[in-house]
Amino acid sequence: GAGVSQTPSNKVTEKGKYVELRCDPISGHTALYWYRQSLGQGPEFLIYFQGTGAADDSGLPNDRFFAVRPEGSVSTLKIQRTERGDSAVYLCASSRDNQETQYFGPGTRLLVL
Amino acid sequence: GEDVEQSLFLSVREGDSSVINCTYTDSSSTYLYWYKQEPGAGLQLLTYIFSNMDMKQDQRLTVLLNKKDKHLSLRIADTQTGDSAIYFCAVSNDYKLSFGAGTTVTVRA
Repeated sequence: GAGVSQTPSNKVTEKGKYVELRCDPISGHTALYWYRQSLGQGPEFLIYFQGTGAADDSGLPNDRFFAVRPEGSVSTLKIQRTERGDSAVYLCASSRDNQETQYFGPGTRLLVL
Repeated sequence: GEDVEQSLFLSVREGDSSVINCTYTDSSSTYLYWYKQEPGAGLQLLTYIFSNMDMKQDQRLTVLLNKKDKHLSLRIADTQTGDSAIYFCAVSNDYKLSFGAGTTVTVRA
């Protein structure tokens, strides 16, 4: 079946702009996660959704970052007033529930100029 | 938070075995994972082991877990050029995964 999909695959923006990154989880997966992977590093946890609600957003670096999942399926990660340090690969993962294996999407490569 | 350490690079000859090592700090981790990442791609789940196991074999892959030493390893038998990639160790704490920085495996002919 279809895996996790993410759009866009690449995004180039200018410092100060607003961006939205989209994640389509595997159908039927109730848990959804966002991670950020900087160059040469492993992914770091940002936020976890169970259904429609953000159960843990402790990994979001500051209040410029926000994520939603209004219908319990697709999620959007929103970054306001982007900074060059936000440049990274943003990975989305989903799982059947929060104790099950997480399956990752291909990521969105964000470059802030 | 959880600290996960891996060696950064491994070079191996085609046909030999590769062993990638990982250490972690949180003894309460329930699942431990190995993911593979090829250039420009996302993370592909290779295998995982539950914390009450000490070994798991899956075709060419063998995972060994030493809970006492908090040490996890991944052995790839008969390494092929297609195994060249970055391999990440990840440990779960409830729903949150903590990753190492990744081991870049280069397979030479």
